[in-house]
Amino acid sequence: AQKVTQAQTEISVVEKEDVTLDCVYETRDTTYYLFWYKQPPSGELVFLIRRNSFDEQNEISGRYSWNFQKSTSSFNFTITASQVVDSAVYFCALSEAVGDDKIIFGKGTRLHILP
Amino acid sequence: DVKVTQSSRYLVKRTGEKVFLECVQDMDHENMFWYRQDPGLGLRLIYFSYDVKMKEKGDIPEGYSVSREKKERFSLILESASTNQTSMYLCASRTVDNEKLFFGSGTQLSVL
Repeated sequence: AQKVTQAQTEISVVEKEDVTLDCVYETRDTTYYLFWYKQPPSGELVFLIRRNSFDEQNEISGRYSWNFQKSTSSFNFTITASQVVDSAVYFCALSEAVGDDKIIFGKGTRLHILP
Repeated sequence: DVKVTQSSRYLVKRTGEKVFLECVQDMDHENMFWYRQDPGLGLRLIYFSYDVKMKEKGDIPEGYSVSREKKERFSLILESASTNQTSMYLCASRTVDNEKLFFGSGTQLSVL
């Protein structure tokens, strides 16, 4: 069975600090996708990244970076030099890559960036 | 601009009422999903549909049904609403190549 665990329920950091959000997943499939979504206070979920199971290269997009490690079944998300606008709930998600299948979300991590 | 539209942002219903939550997408996506979001529980999948008239149960289908008569519309039905169905309901769609989900802005349902 698929499972996504985000152990950090809530994190608070001061603006300009770096922060890492953890995501650990379980799946028996060898081919799968991992996602991160952001839910700002306005409520609408916004896609951040998709990574397939064959691509373990780390990804950087501006202040955001993602570290995918199959050996530890983790897909962690780091925000560098955090800003108040980064305050949101962040969700990690997992989906099989083959066929029409469901997408399983973690419980989310609420991130507070304090000015 | 691509869009997933949920018919109501806020809805208040009475226990025992039949409730319809509507979702429409304009991207010609094959797959559509209904999630509910509750504090501390994240997003939980209720039902999903991978094609017209096709549906699959998610993790928490009890008390819900769905309808997909047209590709662009996916309806969630609460046959007899109960107070434990008070929640934020999120609709989403995607293409079959497992690209990203597009989400609607959600319907906050309160059952009194």
